[in-house]
Amino acid sequence: EVQLVQSGAEVKKPGESLKISCKGSGYTFTNYWIGWVRQMPGEGLEWMGIFNPGDSDARYNASFRGQISISTDNSITTAYLQWSRLKASDTAIYYCVRRPTITGAPLDYWGQGILVTVSS
Amino acid sequence: QSALTQPRSVSGSPGQSVTISCTGTSSDVGRYNFVSWYLQHPGKAPKLMIYDVSERPSGVPDRFSGSKSGNTASLTISGLQAEDEADYYCCSYAGTYSPYVFGTGTKVTVL
Repeated sequence: EVQLVQSGAEVKKPGESLKISCKGSGYTFTNYWIGWVRQMPGEGLEWMGIFNPGDSDARYNASFRGQISISTDNSITTAYLQWSRLKASDTAIYYCVRRPTITGAPLDYWGQGILVTVSS
Repeated sequence: QSALTQPRSVSGSPGQSVTISCTGTSSDVGRYNFVSWYLQHPGKAPKLMIYDVSERPSGVPDRFSGSKSGNTASLTISGLQAEDEADYYCCSYAGTYSPYVFGTGTKVTVL
């Protein structure tokens, strides 16, 4: 069974750094892209970026480029989303998603989501 | 890359059909047959319901169907059931370097 299991909720202060995780299981981790989707409180879904664990190719939504970094540790089939300096506006739920390598493939599996709260 | 446009809400009685539109541009919806739809119940993660405009993943009821004409894709829910009450988001492929754009989301209410 394919599963994406995300780390727990986080509460941070503005200016702090953060790295959240997503562990994939039930499939060959390096054969699928893995990405992140943001949902701000009461708002819709925003695609942030996507990463290919097989060759470390990364694609970012222009709105998030330079603000976040996506990486993986293939030895433990885990993906990461990282910020170096959080802002209050980063308060949101973050979902990791899996995407087959076929061009145009959908986001076929989703993690349960991580609530990140950034407040002074 | 602007969000795809969806109606804020649609509603229907049990057993009726509802259709949700998703309007993009010639750079996304109009260019590629890679439109997907996601259902999100409150407090839950989204779930894939339709991909490649009209394909259903295993386990998705055939009450859900998708189509596309020009720059607008549509999701139709036939035989509306109480459990269909949720938020629905469309998503289109938009090219190699910025692959995805989501719709603004539609709340479906079962009266």
